[in-house]
Amino acid sequence: SAVISQKPSRDICQRGTSLTIQCQVDSQVTMMFWYRQQPGQSLTLIATANQGSEATYESGFVIDKFPISRPNLTFSTLTVSNMSPEDSSIYLCSVESGGGEAFFGQGTRLTVV
Amino acid sequence: LAKTTQPISMDSYEGQEVNITCSHNNIATNDYITWYQQFPSQGPRFIIQGYKTKVTNEVASLFIPADRKSSTLSLPRVSLSDTAVYYCLVGDIRGQGGKLIFGQGTELSVKP
Repeated sequence: SAVISQKPSRDICQRGTSLTIQCQVDSQVTMMFWYRQQPGQSLTLIATANQGSEATYESGFVIDKFPISRPNLTFSTLTVSNMSPEDSSIYLCSVESGGGEAFFGQGTRLTVV
Repeated sequence: LAKTTQPISMDSYEGQEVNITCSHNNIATNDYITWYQQFPSQGPRFIIQGYKTKVTNEVASLFIPADRKSSTLSLPRVSLSDTAVYYCLVGDIRGQGGKLIFGQGTELSVKP
């Protein structure tokens, strides 16, 4: 299993600003994943973060808007840049156990005003 | 990754057995079927995973017919705390390394 801690748990931000979300895992993992969950919607994968290389982004997500860092095998950050109200969502990070089971953090609830 | 279709919502009462069916007509040979549960303000939590026939754990059972084009998550004797959204996912999670494609999920409401 894996225990994932995300910070902050929630934030209210002004439009035009940026927020960096941290994700800490209690064990070393090769890949970490970032998801967005818009209000009342399902989860959408933003990107896959590998240690030592640039993140791989899904269609509709770009590095300039959602830069990701992966400095080591237990930590990653996602930045939501130049925020607008449409970025109000829950952002979650995830890792896979190696046995086919994914573990998620509690999420960061972002409100942009 | 195969697309899944499941009911948007279901209602049940405490003590009943709940069966949620998921259709995945385009499932590939290497694909597994995985179910996750999500409570409000929490990340999804793994419930059960299977490839074929029947899988049972302490939380649920997963029934997969021989053609694997559908699956049914069975929750025995639900309680109010089982009220959540349930997601059916199909894919070669081992090959994808944990990259998950979520469908709309089924919102289960358990009433007293």
